[in-house]
Amino acid sequence: GAVVSQHPSRVICKSGTSVKIECRSLDFQATTMFWYRQFPKQSLMLMATSNEGSKATYEQGVEKDKFLINHASLTLSTLTVTSAHPEDSSFYICSARAARMEAFFGQGTRLTVV
Amino acid sequence: AQSVTQLDSQVPVFEEAPVELRCNYSSSVSVYLFWYVQYPNQGLQLLLKYLSGSTLVKGINGFEAEFNKSQTSFHLRKPSVHISDTAEYFCAVCDIRGSQGNLIFGKGTKLSVKP
Repeated sequence: GAVVSQHPSRVICKSGTSVKIECRSLDFQATTMFWYRQFPKQSLMLMATSNEGSKATYEQGVEKDKFLINHASLTLSTLTVTSAHPEDSSFYICSARAARMEAFFGQGTRLTVV
Repeated sequence: AQSVTQLDSQVPVFEEAPVELRCNYSSSVSVYLFWYVQYPNQGLQLLLKYLSGSTLVKGINGFEAEFNKSQTSFHLRKPSVHISDTAEYFCAVCDIRGSQGNLIFGKGTKLSVKP
């Protein structure tokens, strides 16, 4: 299957700083990328959907100013958690898909805010 | 709107025993159905998917699932589990008409295989 690479896999940051997570489709052009958040022992909750070259569509309850999403190219989307707080600590997973393709998932990023 | 219900949050089973992980969905439109596996601190790996055609779908690692439209179910089965199957399993649906294709996930079922 297609490969989606997510980086970093783990990050620890201080409260108040910003963290950037990258999601890359390595062998296909991803017209759409999704960002999910997974709390411990819970399911994945869709945060936002981004299409290359346009603004991301955020799900209800997700702060767009806090979770900045950029989908600048067909192979790269970034999620920036701004002014991170301990409650932002979570597992973030991206997925990417091309037209008429299933979505492929990255390995996930474990964010810990201390 | 679609939703997915995984009836069992945890399923303990002995090695080499059969297992069934249940998944029911609700949707007013036709959907695609998926099962994913997640190992600790890792992303999701696709086990199998139903898009159309035969209602019995075979996936990786010896898993299979059967789409039952009348019961709106997509239960995952394996006739004989291994210790290595211990993981969290997620059922997901995708609106067949949706241009975005975002997945709606169930809450997951933790499969624990004991020796």
